[in-house]
Amino acid sequence: AQRVTQPEKLLSVFKGAPVELKCNYSYSGSPELFWYVQYSRQRLQLLLRHISRESIKGFTADLNKGETSFHLKKPFAQEEDSAMYYCALINAGGTSYGKLTFGQGTILTVHP
Amino acid sequence: GAGVSQSPRYKVAKRGQDVALRCDPISGHVSLFWYQQALGQGPEFLTYFQNEAQLDKSGLPSDRFFAERPEGSVSTLKIQRTQQEDSAVYLCASSLGTGRARPQHFGDGTRLSIL
Repeated sequence: AQRVTQPEKLLSVFKGAPVELKCNYSYSGSPELFWYVQYSRQRLQLLLRHISRESIKGFTADLNKGETSFHLKKPFAQEEDSAMYYCALINAGGTSYGKLTFGQGTILTVHP
Repeated sequence: GAGVSQSPRYKVAKRGQDVALRCDPISGHVSLFWYQQALGQGPEFLTYFQNEAQLDKSGLPSDRFFAERPEGSVSTLKIQRTQQEDSAVYLCASSLGTGRARPQHFGDGTRLSIL
């Protein structure tokens, strides 16, 4: 069965400090990994996906198949980064239709 | 353009009552998903529609939960004889198609409280 684990429920950093939100997954097929973000009073929205290899709002995430991880990183955190972050995966192989499996989420607080 | 719209935003019901939650997906989106998010947890899959066909309902927790999308657009999630453990945020998401190339767009959710 596929599973996503985010070991940190809460993460606090100061503005300008580096931040890393951890995500580990278990999946036997060909997963595609995502990070979703939910800012206060806003809906869940896609932040980035591993196949795009992009940087969004200064965040990057690298898929490490050996460690089955997809940690989200930003070198210099900003106060506006404070939000709930979810790691999620999709079965990208075969006849999958794209059902998302989410981790439990990490609340990031960036202090001034 | 308009995003995924869900109504009501909040619903309070007494245990044993039936409730109906509505989802209006983005126009033209073929795929529609329902997720349940309990307090302090990530969203969990309930069911999936491709147009009007319900192709996966493996996540529905019991036969009290029923979902439909009769014309391939608006979807309704119905919960019969509600129980306190049904209290959660119910999220709807839609996408243009299936698989990796089609990101899901989420609604604001319906927060259901069962007294």
